Amino acid sequence: GENVEQHPSTLSVQEGDSAVIKCTYSDSASNYFPWYKQELGKRPQLIIDIRSNVGEKKDQRIAVTLNKTAKHFSLHITETQPEDSAVYFCAASTDTDKLIFGTGTRLQVFP
Amino acid sequence: NAGVTQTPKFQVLKTGQSMTLQCAQDMNHEYMSWYRQDPGMGLRLIHYSVGAGITDQGEVPNGYNVSRSTTEDFPLRLLSAAPSQTSVYFCASTSTGSGGYEQYFGPGTRLTVT
Repeated sequence: GENVEQHPSTLSVQEGDSAVIKCTYSDSASNYFPWYKQELGKRPQLIIDIRSNVGEKKDQRIAVTLNKTAKHFSLHITETQPEDSAVYFCAASTDTDKLIFGTGTRLQVFP
Repeated sequence: NAGVTQTPKFQVLKTGQSMTLQCAQDMNHEYMSWYRQDPGMGLRLIHYSVGAGITDQGEVPNGYNVSRSTTEDFPLRLLSAAPSQTSVYFCASTSTGSGGYEQYFGPGTRLTVT
């Protein structure tokens, strides 16, 4: 089955800097790659997703890139702010299959 | 719309006890899932369902049962609780529109097994 690896497990950046989180997946049939943000004590919430027919997607300060050949995808956050501090999860799935999550990255943005 | 609701919010069980975690959604989603979240382990899929009457195992199904008699409800049963099942449990339902497959999570149930 699908296996998703996520790095780094923790990431500290200065406010205004960029943050990059990387994930790799094992199942070449996977074609949907979402990213979730989880604040302390809250439920995970979708922040951006990408499908396999697209190489890059951007939404304001966040962007996701996908390299299907290498089976990896990344989350990029620019101009980080303290409210970006949270745990971020990547995930992968096929259209009709289960969503498998990475182990999470704790992002801390220092003012 | 209430979205995805879960009860209870907190639960303490003794080893060997059984209980059912409730999950309901009012968005008419076909897909529903149960995850457990442990520190450093991310969200691990326990069981999932692609529609009423259909369930399947995820990554860590042992010790848990599910059923899906209606579209709205997807209860998770712990058959004989063990300390290793101490975790936060999230139920999710999935929108399968043309834009993607967004999972909506419930607020979670924090379970402690002593």
